Amino acid sequence: SYVLTQPPSVSVAPGQTARITCGGNNIGSKSVHWYQQKPGQAPVLVVYDDSDRPSGIPERFSGSNSGNTATLTISRVEAGDEADYYCQVWDSSSDPRGVFGGGTKLTVL
Amino acid sequence: EVQLVESGGGLVQPGRSLRLSCAASGFTFDDYAMHWVRQAPGKGLEWVSGISWNSGSIGYADSVKGRFTISRDNAKNSLYLQMNSLRAEDTALYYCAKGTLRAGYFDYWGQGTLVTVSS
Repeated sequence: SYVLTQPPSVSVAPGQTARITCGGNNIGSKSVHWYQQKPGQAPVLVVYDDSDRPSGIPERFSGSNSGNTATLTISRVEAGDEADYYCQVWDSSSDPRGVFGGGTKLTVL
Repeated sequence: EVQLVESGGGLVQPGRSLRLSCAASGFTFDDYAMHWVRQAPGKGLEWVSGISWNSGSIGYADSVKGRFTISRDNAKNSLYLQMNSLRAEDTALYYCAKGTLRAGYFDYWGQGTLVTVSS
């Protein structure tokens, strides 16, 4: 089955840029989606189809995807961005299924 | 406004069954695939199962295949998850999530219902 690998944690100072990676075999050929989850809350979609933002998500959130790595970039990080972030793809093999990365805890220093 | 409200969670003994429900509103339910995603305490997200708009396509994670059954009632705008032969490792918060017109991701989530499997 398809595996997505994320770093367990990323730390960044306020106002700086955070980059969270998601690794997978030839992930560049798939559409990657990103979710933000704050403590005690349900996940929220922040980027879909590699780089598109749902309405209401700040332009500070952007995504890219190429080769074996997809990246969620958060510019001008704010304290309120501290959360867990998950990447996700749809594995359209003979047995289609959703696949999540293990999640990355973003800490704002 | 899209709303997804899960119910049916609780404490259940290993080997027993439980049925989760998800009441949907604020969108045309029978246009979209629906999914269940779970999160064990302190752990990450795990896709559990998904069902197409007309129930014609259904999928399960390997960890629940043969034990869980997903279904939907479009007339009632409701999604279900029948969970049989429950194990301790099924303990988790179970989220109902709305799919999109093009397969692939989950644009709205409920608040979840907690299932605890313990003797």
